[in-house]
Amino acid sequence: EDQVTQSPEALRLQEGESSSLNCSYTVSGLRGLFWYRQDPGKGPEFLFTLYSAGEEKEKERLKATLTKKESFLHITAPKPEDSATYLCAVQEAKSSYKLIFGSGTRLLVRP
Amino acid sequence: SAVISQKPSRDICQRGTSLTIQCQVDSQVTMMFWYRQQPGQSLTLIATANQGSEATYESGFVIDKFPISRPNLTFSTLTVSNMSPEDSSIYLCSVEDTREQYFGPGTRLTVT
Repeated sequence: EDQVTQSPEALRLQEGESSSLNCSYTVSGLRGLFWYRQDPGKGPEFLFTLYSAGEEKEKERLKATLTKKESFLHITAPKPEDSATYLCAVQEAKSSYKLIFGSGTRLLVRP
Repeated sequence: SAVISQKPSRDICQRGTSLTIQCQVDSQVTMMFWYRQQPGQSLTLIATANQGSEATYESGFVIDKFPISRPNLTFSTLTVSNMSPEDSSIYLCSVEDTREQYFGPGTRLTVT
């Protein structure tokens, strides 16, 4: 069965304290791995899609990497405005479009 | 990237009634999806809405409970029928655009 597991469930950082979020996945064939940011009461905001092992993408303080079994979202020198829930989702090659979501990591960055 | 709007943004409904949620996209897209996010949980796909054909439902979701319309390439509706408190969730519309999926702001539904 396809699975997506995110860790940690929650993470508290001081402003400027860099860290990484993990997303491990099990699918029969990967079409893409997606990262989203979700603020309370809002829909997920698209961050990145990664398609193949070794791929990396960056946006401001965020950098996403992908291996054959997991993805990391690295947050460099975070600010309080980076506080949100970060969601990882995988898209299977055989199902084409369905996203299977992990349970998310709640990030709190304290000033 | 596609810009998606949903109506209503929130509603409080009585059990046994139905609510129709609208999703509007600012560009033509082939694939539209409806997801549910139950309180404190992550997102689960309800169905895929294709223009000109029947919606494709995921396991555990049925057309009688969640009928979907897709009259054109920019618009879709999801109806939550015969509601019970267990249907209290956020309902989200999403679209696939150039291999990326974007989400609307969601509709927060509370059933009393």
